[in-house]
Amino acid sequence: SQQGEEDPQALSIQEGENATMNCSYKTSINNLQWYRQNSGRGLVHLILIRSNEREKHSGRLRVTLDTSKKSSSLLITASRAADTASYFCATGGGADGLTFGKGTHLIIQP
Amino acid sequence: DTEVTQTPKHLVMGMTNKKSLKCEQHMGHRAMYWYKQKAKKPPELMFVYSYEKLSINESVPSRFSPECPNSSLLNLHLHALQPEDSALYLCASSQVPGHETQYFGPGTRLLVL
Repeated sequence: SQQGEEDPQALSIQEGENATMNCSYKTSINNLQWYRQNSGRGLVHLILIRSNEREKHSGRLRVTLDTSKKSSSLLITASRAADTASYFCATGGGADGLTFGKGTHLIIQP
Repeated sequence: DTEVTQTPKHLVMGMTNKKSLKCEQHMGHRAMYWYKQKAKKPPELMFVYSYEKLSINESVPSRFSPECPNSSLLNLHLHALQPEDSALYLCASSQVPGHETQYFGPGTRLLVL
């Protein structure tokens, strides 16, 4: 079953602009992760934020988490053509496996 | 070595065929997973192996049969599949069953005719 709902489903921006994706989830969580998938291939882990954290940075990525609203956002700054991919939020993990949101397809226009 | 490998990359099979998907990791991870992903959809969990034992089967039809011969290897045996089983099959691993981050293989794209 799907836990998260990503918003928007698709996003097209110019290279160099910032991209923001949102994720909402339904149940209480210990952490939330973001993964990237290039063109129907395997997923790559980007960043994990724990339920007691509000914001986390990794390179050009910034993730926020609002547990009161059960939502998270992923910001990619100074986008590049190589950032074109689908981005999924995911909850759970460990022994129970991951439950993914519907994903945002990001297209970076050169 | 931080890689999960999957073979074959592509597979076409008829509904009466028997085939197997293979997944391998040499990171010493003790949890391994199979996910199924239909086009333009998120991955959906099928099976979880913890310390080589099946711990979760997400109500997957018996025409899919997982096997974990050792801590590095995970197989998915396919038999009498239906066209709607056509999808990308992703394998993943994590350090231990309680560890959240998973490492994914590139997937096997399966077409059932």
